[in-house]
Amino acid sequence: AQSVAQPEDQVNVAEGNPLTVKCTYSVSGNPYLFWYVQYPNRGLQFLLKYITGDNLVKGSYGFEAEFNKSQTSFHLKKPSALVSDSALYFCAVRLSPSGNTPLVFGKGTRLSVIA
Amino acid sequence: DTAVSQTPKYLVTQMGNDKSIKCEQNLGHDTMYWYKQDSKKFLKIMFSYNNKELIINETVPNRFSPKSPDKAHLNLHINSLELGDSAVYFCASSQEGQSQETQYFGPGTRLLVL
Repeated sequence: AQSVAQPEDQVNVAEGNPLTVKCTYSVSGNPYLFWYVQYPNRGLQFLLKYITGDNLVKGSYGFEAEFNKSQTSFHLKKPSALVSDSALYFCAVRLSPSGNTPLVFGKGTRLSVIA
Repeated sequence: DTAVSQTPKYLVTQMGNDKSIKCEQNLGHDTMYWYKQDSKKFLKIMFSYNNKELIINETVPNRFSPKSPDKAHLNLHINSLELGDSAVYFCASSQEGQSQETQYFGPGTRLLVL
């Protein structure tokens, strides 16, 4: 069965500093990996995904993530954090080929960027 | 234009009532989903429909009944509401195959059962 672990409930970072939000996954085949962001009282917004190809994927709002197969990780990164990046971040996995399989989400990591 | 829309946005009701939540997507996707987000923000799949056919039903009580009149709509009807049904319900859609796979989410429906 697929599973996703986000080991940190909360990440605090100063504005302008680099940020990392960690994610590890467990699947029996090749994963499709996703990051979503949820702002307060809002729905989930897609940030980026890894399907195949380059291990470093770039997404919305300057975010990027690196797929590391040996470490089964897909950490989310940004070189310079903004206060407006403060939100709840979810990592998710689907089994590839997907065959209409749903997303399995991590429990979320709350990012707080301090001015 | 909103890609995935849900109505209502907020729903406050008494225990024992029956209520429905509607979802519509204008992305031309063939697969739609319902997810539940509990008070701890944990997200879990409830149902998945592909071209109006039920694909996934994840051990959800049979008080919850999804209905897909066409592939652009997936409604969720809940009978005999219970306190534990209080949550945020998200609809999502995707187009399977073609290396797309991304699910796009609606804004959520916040259900409070009193």
